[in-house]
Amino acid sequence: GESVGLHLPTLSVQEGDNSIINCAYSNSASDYFIWYKQESGKGPQFIIDIRSNMDKRQGQRVTVLLNKTVKHLSLQIAATQPGDSAVYFCAETKPTSGSRLTFGEGTQLTVNP
Amino acid sequence: DTGVSQDPRHKITKRGQNVTFRCDPISEHNRLYWYRQTLGQGPEFLTYFQNEAQLEKSRLLSDRFSAERPKGSFSTLEIQRTEQGDSAMYLCASSPPLGQYEQYFGPGTRLTVT
Repeated sequence: GESVGLHLPTLSVQEGDNSIINCAYSNSASDYFIWYKQESGKGPQFIIDIRSNMDKRQGQRVTVLLNKTVKHLSLQIAATQPGDSAVYFCAETKPTSGSRLTFGEGTQLTVNP
Repeated sequence: DTGVSQDPRHKITKRGQNVTFRCDPISEHNRLYWYRQTLGQGPEFLTYFQNEAQLEKSRLLSDRFSAERPKGSFSTLEIQRTEQGDSAMYLCASSPPLGQYEQYFGPGTRLTVT
């Protein structure tokens, strides 16, 4: 069935290091992907998105890479800060789904000072 | 605050009672989505509206779940005859008009059924 999953449930990094969070998706028809950050007790917060006609997109301290050949998505966070500690989800959608999002299970990022 | 708002933030109810949650989307967003999230999992899609039209409801978990968006602005999600398995975070998201796919989430309503 359709699914979006993540390779690692937890990731621990030192403050100032770069973080890489990975995601594998199974639906080759997906054409739009979003990374969300979710802090405890809060709703998911939009970080960055990418369409399937791109392979890289950069934001402030974040970069998303998309490899459609192997159906892999990654989020890179530069100079990770304690405030980046949260659960990160990737989500995918395709035009025929009404833009409903399919989420993976998330990666817990812990930034150690 | 111009983001998505949800009310209440927390709800504790006894099994068998009905509950209703409200979502107010970002004002210029015409699409509104409901998701459910259980501990340790990603949000799970329930239903969505484009303006006042409910375009998909097949993912609602049972016929005890219903949603409305009567005037194309705020939406309500009702759960009738609640069960302990309904305990979860209920999230609302809104999205700009077609052509833009990003969804912005509210803070959620945490439901606990005792």
